[in-house]
Amino acid sequence: EAGVAQSPRYKIIEKRQSVAFWCNPISGHATLYWYQQILGQGPKLLIQFQNNGVVDDSQLPKDRFSAERLKGVDSTLKIQPAKLEDSAVYLCASSLDLGASRNEQFFGPGTRLTVL
Amino acid sequence: EDQVTQSPEALRLQEGESSSLNCSYTVSGLRGLFWYRQDPGKGPEFLFTLYSAGEEKEKERLKATLTKKESFLHITAPKPEDSATYLCAVLPLGSNYKLTFGKGTLLTVNP
Repeated sequence: EAGVAQSPRYKIIEKRQSVAFWCNPISGHATLYWYQQILGQGPKLLIQFQNNGVVDDSQLPKDRFSAERLKGVDSTLKIQPAKLEDSAVYLCASSLDLGASRNEQFFGPGTRLTVL
Repeated sequence: EDQVTQSPEALRLQEGESSSLNCSYTVSGLRGLFWYRQDPGKGPEFLFTLYSAGEEKEKERLKATLTKKESFLHITAPKPEDSATYLCAVLPLGSNYKLTFGKGTLLTVNP
């Protein structure tokens, strides 16, 4: 079974530029998550989708971050404009369904963003 | 506010030297506690889910246990390939599978 796919793996940009990350979840997984992991910290949830609807985006900096999950499969996360403090690894995860009795999250390899 | 504290921050062991990692948590009600392993440059890899106090799960040299306030990840006779960061996360009751992670424990096993 293929895992969660993310691209690109690495990205270096100047501050105030924009950047986009792509995620393809495990086939059949209805729930998709975007996390931000700063060096030395655990992942922090940015946004959670159930199919193509947003379940939780309370920790998403909406003035600069946006995300969408069209057609309930792939998702993109965008930052515009980027700040130095956005340097982090952006992880995508997916799980079966919010209604499932066991709903472990499976993570992709992440995109390491460096903002100069 | 839900909190997860992992200790120690870093642990260095000799091959074969057993030890335990701790995850203490503060949450209004616990739906589940998750352990993940993270290798450098990779995403977290799912290890265990524990749902109730007294529950134990095992996988190779790892055993996870859960009490009402903390969880332990016991590593028996570790090997160098067990070197990684181990992350603990809690899933509170009533949340939509919104995990709160600890900062992790960096485990290094020397040959």
